[in-house]
Amino acid sequence: QVQLQESGSGLVKPSETLSLTCSVSSASFSNYFWNWIRQPPGKGLEWIGYLSYSGSTNYNPSLRGRVSISGDTSHTRFSLTLSSVTAADTAVYYCARSTFSGADVWGQGTLVTVSS
Amino acid sequence: DIVLTQSPDTLSLSPGEGATLSCRASRRITSRSLAWYQQRPGQAPRLLISGASSRATGIPDRFSGGGSGTDFTLTIDRLAPEDSAIYYCHQLGHSPQTFGQGTTVEIK
Repeated sequence: QVQLQESGSGLVKPSETLSLTCSVSSASFSNYFWNWIRQPPGKGLEWIGYLSYSGSTNYNPSLRGRVSISGDTSHTRFSLTLSSVTAADTAVYYCARSTFSGADVWGQGTLVTVSS
Repeated sequence: DIVLTQSPDTLSLSPGEGATLSCRASRRITSRSLAWYQQRPGQAPRLLISGASSRATGIPDRFSGGGSGTDFTLTIDRLAPEDSAIYYCHQLGHSPQTFGQGTTVEIK
C-alpha cells in the first residue's frame, strides 16, 4: 500500500526558509505527479506545486518564485523549500500523489508555524 | 485562475437523508480533471471522486459525482453519521490547480 509521510521543521522564523520532505513508500514515481498542498488553520486547501514523473515542475504563481520542489534520484522522496516565509505561510503542509483526475494518496500532514 | 465556488456553505441534515453539493467553475473545465474530497476534522483529505464521476477505491456507492463544463455535483445518498465532514472540489486541468472553499455537511 502506498504511503506518504511528511517530515521537517515545525517552526520557522520569519524571512527564513521552510524545508519539508515527503517520503514515499511502496510506490513508483512513474505516471504520477507529486504535489505539495497546504491548509492554513481553519481555512481551505491551496495547491503549492508538483514534481512530475518526468522531472518537470509546476508551481502556483501566487507563491511568487519563493517555492522549489525537487526529488531524489532514488525516487523515494521529494522535497519542498519555501523561502522568505511570513506568518501567512503558517499551515498544515500535505504531500500528495495525483494523476490528471485527482489526488489519491495523501500524507497525514505536518503543521509548520512561522514565528520568531 | 479558475475559481471554484461551492454551494451551499453548510448543510445540516438528518441520518438517512440525501445531500447534493454543488461546485461551479468560473470557466469550462474538462470533466476528467475534476475531483471531490472528504476531510474529517484533524485528518488529511480523502479522495472520493475523480474525473467528475469515478468513485475512488473503497468509496461506498452512496457517493456519486456528475456534471460537466462549469457545473459539477457530489451526491451523497442515505447520509450516515460518519459523513459529517467538509467536502472540497478540486480542478487539476488548468494551472494553477484550485480548490473550492468547501461545503460543511453536518449530521443532526
